[in-house]
Amino acid sequence: DIQMTQSPSSLSASVGDRVTITCRASQGISNSLAWYQQKPGKAPKLLLYAASRLESGVPSRFSGSGSGTDYTLTISSLQPEDFATYYCQQYYSTPQKLTFGGGTKVEIK
Amino acid sequence: EVQLVESGGGLVQPGRSLRLSCAASGFTFDDYAMHWVRQAPGKGLEWVSGISWNSGSIGYADSVKGRFTISRDNAKNSLYLQMNSLRAEDTALYYCAKEGIFGAYFDYWGQGTLVTVSS
Repeated sequence: DIQMTQSPSSLSASVGDRVTITCRASQGISNSLAWYQQKPGKAPKLLLYAASRLESGVPSRFSGSGSGTDYTLTISSLQPEDFATYYCQQYYSTPQKLTFGGGTKVEIK
Repeated sequence: EVQLVESGGGLVQPGRSLRLSCAASGFTFDDYAMHWVRQAPGKGLEWVSGISWNSGSIGYADSVKGRFTISRDNAKNSLYLQMNSLRAEDTALYYCAKEGIFGAYFDYWGQGTLVTVSS
């Protein structure tokens, strides 16, 4: 199975900061990567898919990049509503052996 | 509006069985693959199982293979997860999730149903 390693596991940042979260796959996944945001007590919300495609309705301050095994989620200017836990997920494996990263908790500094 | 509503969770003893259901609405159910994803208390997300639109392709995480069975009824717009031989480590919030248009990511999620395995 493809293992997904997210870093950091947590970070502290201030409103307005630029935040970057990294996800590394144990093998190449050809941009088959999604990012989710989860707030306490809520279901995850899709932010991006295909590594860099923004889901409809998601603010443009969220962006994704990467290729091969290494991918990045960037929040260009952190807003109060962005404090949450973020997960990456690969969907390259077939038949279905989908895997998530361990999560990155973004906290208020 | 897409809605996914899970039900069937509860407290169950180790070794017993439970069946989860997910009622879908707001989209053409039989056009999409569907999945179950779980989250143990205070932990991250774990994909459990997925089923293609016509049930022709099914997958399971190694942690549940041989114990859990996913199924769907397109006439009833419903997804199911039959969970047998439950273990304490199966304790989690179980989410039903709709697969995206362009790949096996999850564009809509239910609110989850809690399964607690304990004696």
